[in-house]
Amino acid sequence: SYVLTQPPSVSVAPGQTARITCGGNNIGSKSVHWYQQKPGQAPVVVVYDDSDRPSGIPERFSGSNSGNTATLTISRVEAGDEADYYCQVWDRTSDHYVFGTGTKVTVL
Amino acid sequence: QVQLVESGGGVVQPGRSLRLSCVASGFTFSTYGMHWVRQAPGKGLEWVAVIWHDGSNKYYVDSVKGRITISRDNSKNTLYLQMNSLRGEDTAVYYCARDYGQGSGYYHFDYWGQGTLVTVSS
Repeated sequence: SYVLTQPPSVSVAPGQTARITCGGNNIGSKSVHWYQQKPGQAPVVVVYDDSDRPSGIPERFSGSNSGNTATLTISRVEAGDEADYYCQVWDRTSDHYVFGTGTKVTVL
Repeated sequence: QVQLVESGGGVVQPGRSLRLSCVASGFTFSTYGMHWVRQAPGKGLEWVAVIWHDGSNKYYVDSVKGRITISRDNSKNTLYLQMNSLRGEDTAVYYCARDYGQGSGYYHFDYWGQGTLVTVSS
């Protein structure tokens, strides 16, 4: 089965840039989506199709995808960005949807 | 506005059954694929199952195949998850989520319910 690997945690100071990676075999050939989940809440999509943002999501959230790594970048980090972040793809070979292992972003 | 409201969770003994429901409103339910996603306490998200917009196809994560069935009633705008032979490792918050498309792959999950907790314990 397809596996997506994320770093368990990322720490960043307010105003700085956080980068969260999502590793998978030839992930650059897939469409990657990113979700933010705050404690006690349901996930919310922040980036879809590698780099598109839903309405209402700040431009500070951006994404890229190439080779074996997709990246979610949060610019000018704010305290409210502290959350767990998950990448997700659809695996065509199995018709399964796969989530990454998740990354906890801590704002120092 | 789009709303997804899950119900049916609770405490159940190992080996027993439970049926979850997700009532949808604010959109044309029959044109969207629907998913169940679960999250064990303190753990990450795990996709469980998808059903196409018309119910014609269903896919499951390997760990639940043969024990869990996803279904929908488009006349009632309701998604279901029938869970049989429950195990301790099925303990989780279960979310229903709308597919951005018809459920046939590629797209993201654009709306989520607030989840319902299932606890499997004797």
